[in-house]
Amino acid sequence: GQNIDQPTEMTATEGAIVQINCTYQTSGFNGLFWYQQHAGEAPTFLSYNVLDGLEEKGRFSSFLSRSKGYSYLLLKELQMKDSASYLCAVSDSNYQLIWGAGTKLIIKP
Amino acid sequence: ETGVTQTPRHLVMGMTNKKSLKCEQHLGHNAMYWYKQSAKKPLELMFVYNFKEQTENNSVPSRFSPECPNSSHLFLHLHTLQPEDSALYLCASSSQGQSSYNEQFFGPGTRLTVL
Repeated sequence: GQNIDQPTEMTATEGAIVQINCTYQTSGFNGLFWYQQHAGEAPTFLSYNVLDGLEEKGRFSSFLSRSKGYSYLLLKELQMKDSASYLCAVSDSNYQLIWGAGTKLIIKP
Repeated sequence: ETGVTQTPRHLVMGMTNKKSLKCEQHLGHNAMYWYKQSAKKPLELMFVYNFKEQTENNSVPSRFSPECPNSSHLFLHLHTLQPEDSALYLCASSSQGQSSYNEQFFGPGTRLTVL
């Protein structure tokens, strides 16, 4: 079956760095997405990785290792507004997104 | 209006009611999706439409009936729902349903409560 695993909840301190991991087992792979979802709001796109390596975009970076079925989202210089759920999703062989349950990130002052 | 809009934002209905959720996208996309989001569970893909044609129906009960009259509008008709159908229903759209880069843009969702 297809499976996406990510931690349910993480806590970090304002100004610090946090890494949210995602492991996947899917039928085919056509890229991995990270989305951010604030409570009561729509998920919004953060990043897309299809090749191995690190993609940096401001305070957020995303890493992919296809051989290990592994990705992480790195958030630097955490701000209170980064408190949200972070969703990992893999595009499978049919180009459909398979979603993880999301990681709720709590930022403490 | 820009992006993806959904109405209503909140809906409370009884098990015998019939209601419809509406989604509209102003992004010129050709693919539209319905998802169900329950607490602490992954997003569940319900239906996919590509160029107005339904391409996916992930074993969704018949009490949920989608309709896509054109590439910009998507409806989800609801009838005789169960309390376990209470969830956030998200609509999304993307350009090219069959593409390695398939960024989906989401609407704000309809919070549905079935009594």
